[in-house]
Amino acid sequence: NAGVTQTPKFQVLKTGQSMTLQCAQDMNHEYMSWYRQDPGMGLRLIHYSVGAGITDQGEVPNGYNVSRSTTEDFPLRLLSAAPSQTSVYFCASRVEGDSPLHFGNGTRLTVT
Amino acid sequence: AQSVTQLGSHVSVSEGALVLLRCNYSSSVPPYLFWYVQYPNQGLQLLLKYTSAATLVKGINGFEAEFKKSETSFHLTKPSAHMSDAAEYFCAVGGNNRKLIWGLGTSLAVNP
Repeated sequence: NAGVTQTPKFQVLKTGQSMTLQCAQDMNHEYMSWYRQDPGMGLRLIHYSVGAGITDQGEVPNGYNVSRSTTEDFPLRLLSAAPSQTSVYFCASRVEGDSPLHFGNGTRLTVT
Repeated sequence: AQSVTQLGSHVSVSEGALVLLRCNYSSSVPPYLFWYVQYPNQGLQLLLKYTSAATLVKGINGFEAEFKKSETSFHLTKPSAHMSDAAEYFCAVGGNNRKLIWGLGTSLAVNP
């Protein structure tokens, strides 16, 4: 029972580089989301999706792109990394509605 | 607008002592409320959820929370702290737009 799987666990990028954080879930959840977690700032929603082919912005979307071509996968793309994007990123999914979120174990990203 | 306030960013208790983590919310609609726990270097896990079926909600690992509408509170308690309870705890509230609003978290330290 894998749940929500995020790769990689750790990543170091140089300013201006691009990369994709992968997220996959095997629970057939319609809703998927990306959060970033920074000290003293809690969890902030970057982007979310309520189903394949549908994505929307959260509260801090700038600098990030997402797509949802399948129910299972929800990759997060950084087009040109900046030091301000140094953070821990979490992917989470749920059945639609008010059900609880299931979180991955996170990707720790450092941008130098 | 909905909001969540967790009083005390750091709480320290002795092993065996009562754990009380405070959460107050504001919501213009009947809320659904969650407590999540985050152990070091892991993602968040659901502790418990308020569904309006009962004001006292029991969760995993001996935790419970009481919904008090008059006080707009959803405080988390555990009668006797264990060393393994040391973690970050997050309160979250959702409403009619299904987006979760997160508190900033409370770090719980348990002293031997």
